[in-house]
Amino acid sequence: DTGVSQDPRHKITKRGQNVTFRCDPISEHNRLYWYRQTLGQGPEFLTYFQNEAQLEKSRLLSDRFSAERPKGSFSTLEIQRTEQGDSAMYLCASSPNRDRVVGELFFGEGSRLTVL
Amino acid sequence: QKEVEQNSGPLSVPEGAIASLNCTYSDRGSQSFFWYRQYSGKSPELIMSIYSNGDKEDGRFTAQLNKASQYVSLLIRDSQPSDSATYLCAYSSYKLIFGSGTRLLVRP
Repeated sequence: DTGVSQDPRHKITKRGQNVTFRCDPISEHNRLYWYRQTLGQGPEFLTYFQNEAQLEKSRLLSDRFSAERPKGSFSTLEIQRTEQGDSAMYLCASSPNRDRVVGELFFGEGSRLTVL
Repeated sequence: QKEVEQNSGPLSVPEGAIASLNCTYSDRGSQSFFWYRQYSGKSPELIMSIYSNGDKEDGRFTAQLNKASQYVSLLIRDSQPSDSATYLCAYSSYKLIFGSGTRLLVRP
């Protein structure tokens, strides 16, 4: 399978714990995006990378969230001191675009986080 | 004002009918527009993209764009129960901005 893969698919944690999600994009894609989606809402942009450079982080994202993409390959999204409001589906997507305007995004199956 | 507005639905249509899904957006500079389909518990998948004013047809799907009115629509002809899903409208800059989606139910 050469699509976008995410791990873990499901994570249940207690409030205050740290969690980390991993995303492996399609190998030749240079752009990688993280989105968050809650029930009844569309995907909400969190951050994106062009190769290894993190080019934007949403203003809605608190300092408890950090993302990395070392060597421009896989990416990790870490949430520190989780809160119940962090419960959501975390979607990773990649794109082969090199132009300023992104075209199609290829999404992974998502990592569902439940904070108790 | 949200950047992308969609009626949340559900929009219920009988099998074989035309389903019409609508979307308005706020960024007049937007040039690229997309419709994604999302089945319950699954991730979004692209079904249509449109970049120019007018209509674009692909099988049973037709996307319509009116930049002057900042309006995008998706028509699904001969709707099937398998089309039941949430349809997300999005526009593109260096990232995709999504609406909250319209839930479509196709009744057998």
